[in-house]
Formats: sequence, C-alpha cells, structure tokens
Amino acid sequence: EVQLLESGGGSVQPGGSLTLSCAAPGFTFSSYAMSWVRQAPGKGLEWVLGISGSGSRTYSADSVKGRFTISRDNSKNTLYLQMNSLRAEDTAVYYCAKDSRGHYDILTGYNYFDYWGQGTVVTVSS
Amino acid sequence: DIQMTQSPSSLSASVGDRVTITCRASQSISSYLNWYQQKPGKAPNLLIYAASSLQSGVPSRFSGSGSGTDFTLTISSLQPEDFATYYCQQSYSTPRGTFGGGTKVEIK
Repeated sequence: EVQLLESGGGSVQPGGSLTLSCAAPGFTFSSYAMSWVRQAPGKGLEWVLGISGSGSRTYSADSVKGRFTISRDNSKNTLYLQMNSLRAEDTAVYYCAKDSRGHYDILTGYNYFDYWGQGTVVTVSS
Repeated sequence: DIQMTQSPSSLSASVGDRVTITCRASQSISSYLNWYQQKPGKAPNLLIYAASSLQSGVPSRFSGSGSGTDFTLTISSLQPEDFATYYCQQSYSTPRGTFGGGTKVEIK
C-alpha cells in the first residue's frame, strides 16, 4: 500500500529555517518523481518543488526559488524539503505528492499526482 | 506561465443534480489536464487525468472532457459525499503544473 507520511512542520519566526520529511513506503520510491504542493489557509493549491525519480533533476516555483530546496534519499525512501529564509506568506499546509511517472517528458505520457500525504502545517510568524 | 481559470468559484446543488465545472487554460495544453477533489481538512484526491481518463477507484459518475484550452468536469448525479472543492491542474508544463483556483460544491 502506498503511503506518504510527512513530518517536520511547526512554527518558526520569519527568516528562520525548517526541514520537512516525507517517508514513502509501499512502492518503488526511486521509480517516481515527487513534488511538494502547499496550501495557504483558506486558499488553493500551489505546486512549489519537484524532483525526478533519480534525483538528478529538480524544479522550483519562482515563489520559493533560492530559498527552498527539494531532495530525496532513495536508499531511505524519503523526500525532503529544506526551507530557508521563511516568510509569513510561506505559512501553509505542505503536502508531498507522488507523481505518476519517474520523469517529466510530456512527449511520452502524462504526469499527475496519484497519491498525496496527509500534510504538515508550517506557520511563519513572529 | 500557464494560468488556469475555473468557473464557477462556488455552486449550490442538490443530491441527484448534474453538476458541471469548467476550467480554462491561458494557452493550449492539449489534454494535459487533471482534476482533483479535496474535502475539508484532507489531502486532494485524483479524479481524472489526461483530461478524460478516470482514476482507478473513482466512481463512474465523474467524467472529464475537453482539449486545448477548455475543459469540463461533470458529476452526473451528485451524491452526499461529493460535496467538496474541486481543482483542475495543467500538466503541460510539468512539473510546474498550475492549479485552478478551485470550485466549492455546496449543498443547496
């Protein structure tokens, strides 16, 4: 059974740092791309970072570029999100999401998030 | 960046009603369009991918159509468990897949 189990959320002051983890048992983790998607309170969904199955390629939204980093340890079946220079507008529920494929080449198929974690709350406030 | 616009932003409907939600892309995205359902306090759940393919385990009352810039999610007969917020997402520029603003389906 596919499971995505986020941890590491909490409260942090503006300018601070936080690292989120997403443990992913139940499937061949290294075969699938993964993403972090966030949702600010009362707002919609925002994709923030993605990483290929091998970990060789990473992608980020402009809103977090240079501040957030996505990584993965395929030997531990775990996805990470390192968040630095946090701002109040980064306050959100952060979801890890499993992609349908290991890569992002649209010429060979379709990408979609077929499994999501339960989410972890990050609050940035002084 | 590709912008996704959903309409309406909310609607009220009764059990048994046919419900249609529209999603429009700011440029052609072929069939690279996904639909998700989200209930309060829960993670999103995939309903439809590639514009019209039903995800395994999703009831057949859900269907998707469209290509290019205009897409539709239809619930043929609304059930009590369908009251939720629905999001479209383009995957043409994957992994930077933009979501629509959401459509909240409420009980009339």
